[in-house]
Amino acid sequence: DIQMTQSPSSLSASVGDRVTITCRASQSISTYLNWYQQKPGKAPKLLIYAASSLHSGVPSRFSGSGSGTDFTLTISCLQPEDFATYYCQQSYNTPWTFGQGTKVEIK
Amino acid sequence: EVQLVESGGGLVQPGRSLRLSCTASGFTFGDYAMSWVRQAPGKGLEWVGFIRSKAYGGTTEYAASVKGRFTISRDDSKSIAYLQMNSLKTEDTAVYYCTRVSKYCSGGSCYSVDYWGQGTLVTVSS
Repeated sequence: DIQMTQSPSSLSASVGDRVTITCRASQSISTYLNWYQQKPGKAPKLLIYAASSLHSGVPSRFSGSGSGTDFTLTISCLQPEDFATYYCQQSYNTPWTFGQGTKVEIK
Repeated sequence: EVQLVESGGGLVQPGRSLRLSCTASGFTFGDYAMSWVRQAPGKGLEWVGFIRSKAYGGTTEYAASVKGRFTISRDDSKSIAYLQMNSLKTEDTAVYYCTRVSKYCSGGSCYSVDYWGQGTLVTVSS
């Protein structure tokens, strides 16, 4: 199975900050990497697919980059509604696997 | 508007069975693969499995943790996906999400989970 490792596991940030979350795959997955946002008690939502493509309706302050084994999710200017947990997920092969999550908290 | 509504969750004893249903609306159900993802209390996301659309053979894939115990099926005429769970274990306790899978390119691995249901809680306990 492909292991997905996110860092950090949690971070504290202020509104307006630039935030970067990294995701590393245990083997090359090309750009078959998706990012999701989950708020407490809610279902996850797709943010980014194919490593860098913005899902419909997602604000442009979210961006993704990377290929191979190393990927990043960047929030350019953190908003109050962005405090949540973020997960990366690979679809390179089955079983699809998720990172352990990164919780973004208010500083 | 895409909507996915799960039903069938609840409390079940270890070793027993349960079937979850996912009723879809707002899109042409038969054109999409569907998957199930679960989340144990306070934990991260775990992919359970998926079923391809009929155009791609309607075949299924499963996580090792559920293979041989869980079965995903679909009824395109009713726009419903199912998750049949047999021989349930306490570690299967989780919120189960029904999800739509989109294929964004012609390659073999270009899938994303673009819509999620609200989830249904399955508790396996004696």
